[in-house]
Amino acid sequence: DTGVSQDPRHKITKRGQNVTFRCDPISEHNRLYWYRQTLGQGPEFLTYFQNEAQLEKSRLLSDRFSAERPKGSFSTLEIQRTEQGDSAMYLCASSVTTEQFFGPGTRLTVL
Amino acid sequence: GIQVEQSPPDLILQEGANSTLRCNFSDSVNNLQWFHQNPWGQLINLFYIPSGTKQNGRLSATTVATERYSLLYISSSQTTDSGVYFCAVLGGTSYGKLTFGQGTILTVHP
Repeated sequence: DTGVSQDPRHKITKRGQNVTFRCDPISEHNRLYWYRQTLGQGPEFLTYFQNEAQLEKSRLLSDRFSAERPKGSFSTLEIQRTEQGDSAMYLCASSVTTEQFFGPGTRLTVL
Repeated sequence: GIQVEQSPPDLILQEGANSTLRCNFSDSVNNLQWFHQNPWGQLINLFYIPSGTKQNGRLSATTVATERYSLLYISSSQTTDSGVYFCAVLGGTSYGKLTFGQGTILTVHP
C-alpha cells in the first residue's frame, strides 16, 4: 500500500521566486488536502479537493497561492513571488472517508 | 471556528512510565484523529476516534464527544515514543478542514 507522496522533499528559493509542489494521494482516495506547518505550531488547513473540485479554501491561501487538481488525481500547490514568511513545511493529505492520511511534506526555505 | 487545546504542552518521562495526553475541543465534531509527528516531520496516524475507546498495543484512546474531550494513553513508554503528539478535529460545519491543537512534546529518556 503506497502512501501519500510529495515532491520535492526540500526546496530552497530566493525571495520573489515562484515555487510549485506536487502531491500524489493514496490510490483511489478522492479527497485531497493541503496544510502548512510553521515551527512549533500544529498544521493549518489551506485547501481541500474532492475529485477535481476545490471545495474549501482557507483565508491563509492568499492571492499568491494557487492549488489545482486537474484530473482528480495528483495536485499541485504554487506559490508566486515567495516571501520569507512562506518558509514552512507544506503537508498534503488524502482520504476516502473523513480519516486523513498525510504525506512526508515539502520543507520550503525562502532566503 | 472550532478551538482545540492540548495538555500538557511538554512531558518528560523515564522509559517504562505511563502517560495521559488530553485534547479539549470547543464544539461538536465529525472526526477526531491523534497523530504522532516523527523528527522528520511525518504525521503518523495513531487513532481515528470521533467517539468511544480504541486500543492499539501500548496505546489507547478515549473520546467523550458529549463532554468535548479526548485522552491518549501511552503505557510502558519507550524512547521511540518521543516526538510531538497532535490531536485534530473535523468541526461539524466543515467537510475537510482538520483543526489541530498545538501539540504535546513528549521526551522519553532511557
